[in-house]
Amino acid sequence: DAGVIQSPRHEVTEMGQEVTLRCKPISGHDYLFWYRQTMMRGLELLIYFNNNVPIDDSGMPEDRFSAKMPNASFSTLKIQPSEPRDSAVYFCASSSSGTAYEQYFGPGTRLTVT
Amino acid sequence: KQEVTQIPAALSVPEGENLVLNCSFTDSAIYNLQWFRQDPGKGLTSLLLIQSSQREQTSGRLNASLDKSSGRSTLYIAASQPGDSATYLCAPCRGGNKLVFGAGTILRVKS
Repeated sequence: DAGVIQSPRHEVTEMGQEVTLRCKPISGHDYLFWYRQTMMRGLELLIYFNNNVPIDDSGMPEDRFSAKMPNASFSTLKIQPSEPRDSAVYFCASSSSGTAYEQYFGPGTRLTVT
Repeated sequence: KQEVTQIPAALSVPEGENLVLNCSFTDSAIYNLQWFRQDPGKGLTSLLLIQSSQREQTSGRLNASLDKSSGRSTLYIAASQPGDSATYLCAPCRGGNKLVFGAGTILRVKS
């Protein structure tokens, strides 16, 4: 299995621009998670989906952030408009009820907003 | 709200030593607990998952224990190697499949 795939791996954008991060979960997994990692706050859960349905978005910092999962093999995290404080590494992870919900992480997208 | 503390924050040991990383959490009503490894600039690699009904899990030189009632987990690394150098993260999982991460232990194994 290819594991969780994220794109792009690096993104540099200017303040005010729209940013879209993409994730392909492991095939057969029914949970998908978006996390953000910063030096100050560590790893934080932003939102997670079960069977393509958003279950808990309480970690989404502001209305500028939105996430979708149109099908079982694809999810996006969008920031519009982006701000310098959004600079972080964004991870996608997936898990399955069939494997005790063990979470597998993608390589992350390093976002820099100037 | 679940709070996770990992001790020590950093550890530097000579190659070959056995070592213990500690994790404590405030809410003992967890479903499972995962230990991860993160190399600099990389993603997280799952090392071990302990379900709430289990006391320990082993994988190669790694052994993780769980004492749910006291809110503690330990990761034991036997015969440490320079390749073990990384940040180790503990993450208990409550209902709803939500992991809460500790700040991690930065491990350096010197050759």
